[in-house]
Amino acid sequence: GQQLNQSPQSMFIQEGEDVSMNCTSSSIFNTWLWYKQEPGEGPVLLIALYKAGELTSNGRLTAQFGITRKDSFLNISASIPSDVGIYFCAGPPADSWGKFQFGAGTQVVVTP
Amino acid sequence: DAMVIQNPRYQVTQFGKPVTLSCSQTLNHNVMYWYQQKSSQAPKLLFHYYDKDFNNEADTPDNFQSRRPNTSFCFLDIRSPGLGDAAMYLCATSREPPKVGAGNQPQHFGDGTRLSIL
Repeated sequence: GQQLNQSPQSMFIQEGEDVSMNCTSSSIFNTWLWYKQEPGEGPVLLIALYKAGELTSNGRLTAQFGITRKDSFLNISASIPSDVGIYFCAGPPADSWGKFQFGAGTQVVVTP
Repeated sequence: DAMVIQNPRYQVTQFGKPVTLSCSQTLNHNVMYWYQQKSSQAPKLLFHYYDKDFNNEADTPDNFQSRRPNTSFCFLDIRSPGLGDAAMYLCATSREPPKVGAGNQPQHFGDGTRLSIL
């Protein structure tokens, strides 16, 4: 099926560094969601964005809904070892009913 | 706490032997989804129920069926599992289905069932 274009595919960073990842699509989105998935667990919702230009924070996480409505980014500041996991962007394209699309995921590895 | 609960967490079945995975929710959400997720890949939507209305993805194999006997429960039936069906199966819920031209409620996921085929 269709996927959002999420990058980078993986990131290896040192504890304390900032992390940035983004998602782009050729379709317009009205909602952008960011999830984190740890091994053997289901995705957990981190941030939901509902308006173009919206900037939302959840602790050390900050996400923005792009002005064009075709992209979104997620930043993690001052990373810690428990930030390890796969981060997915997701959302339903504005022209699609009942179909959430997922990015391929960004695997984050934090080393002490 | 309100949750999406999947049972079992790990399921092993034999090639060709029918298997059923279950999902329950205490969120009272109208929509329940089943996804298949293979290693290092994004979740792939198989189908979803909006209340009692069943919506199948065009590329979901006929081997996969689903039942939703009531608001709280949804089942995934795999009639004749093949080796390629080994994966994590995720159940998710949302209050309403995605809508065109409006903000949408996020999906809430269970912890998944890891299916292995012998």
